[in-house]
Amino acid sequence: KAGVTQTPRYLIKTRGQQVTLSCSPISGHRSVSWYQQTPGQGLQFLFEYFSETQRNKGNFPGRFSGRQFSNSRSEMNVSTLELGDSALYLCASSLDQSRNTGELFFGEGSRLTVL
Amino acid sequence: AQSVTQLDSHVSVSEGTPVLLRCNYSSSYSPSLFWYVQHPNKGLQLLLKYTSAATLVKGINGFEAEFKKSETSFHLTKPSAHMSDAAEYFCVVNALRLVSGTYKYIFGTGTRLKVLA
Repeated sequence: KAGVTQTPRYLIKTRGQQVTLSCSPISGHRSVSWYQQTPGQGLQFLFEYFSETQRNKGNFPGRFSGRQFSNSRSEMNVSTLELGDSALYLCASSLDQSRNTGELFFGEGSRLTVL
Repeated sequence: AQSVTQLDSHVSVSEGTPVLLRCNYSSSYSPSLFWYVQHPNKGLQLLLKYTSAATLVKGINGFEAEFKKSETSFHLTKPSAHMSDAAEYFCVVNALRLVSGTYKYIFGTGTRLKVLA
């Protein structure tokens, strides 16, 4: 079965712009979470969505937002981009993180470069 | 509080020699533990997971890990390293958020494995 699909894979933006990243989870998975990965900070949790509701949120400013659609696909948006937002953004899906049902399945990520 | 510590940020081994990547965890209850591998500019791929069944867990590509409760460790091993094993490895513990009742995946800081020819 198809894995987690993230688009776009690579993108370049300039400071002050905004960006939207997309994630399609594995069929049947209802939980989607987002992570930011940078060399200095490692993997940091952004937020988790389940059935179109944000269930948990990491410690990021309000410029970072997301949503989930009825088909479980998710988008995240970053507004007013800063240089420090340059990172690999990873999406992960799972059946349901409220029931400890096992592992996360990751997409290949979206590499964002802010100039 | 739940946490995970990867004891080495970088490990270098020669091809054909054993690999040991160390991970210690802290958890107030029996955790689920995972090892993931990440190749450059790729997502994370699950190597293996421990979910309170057998303490010796076998994963893909010849990797295995042993859950040792007394030592709160979950070290990753492989008998013979291959060049394709060069990557970054993450130890992950699954922790329960008491407020929301959902599970939070706590990632270690990663160990970069270098395999020398």
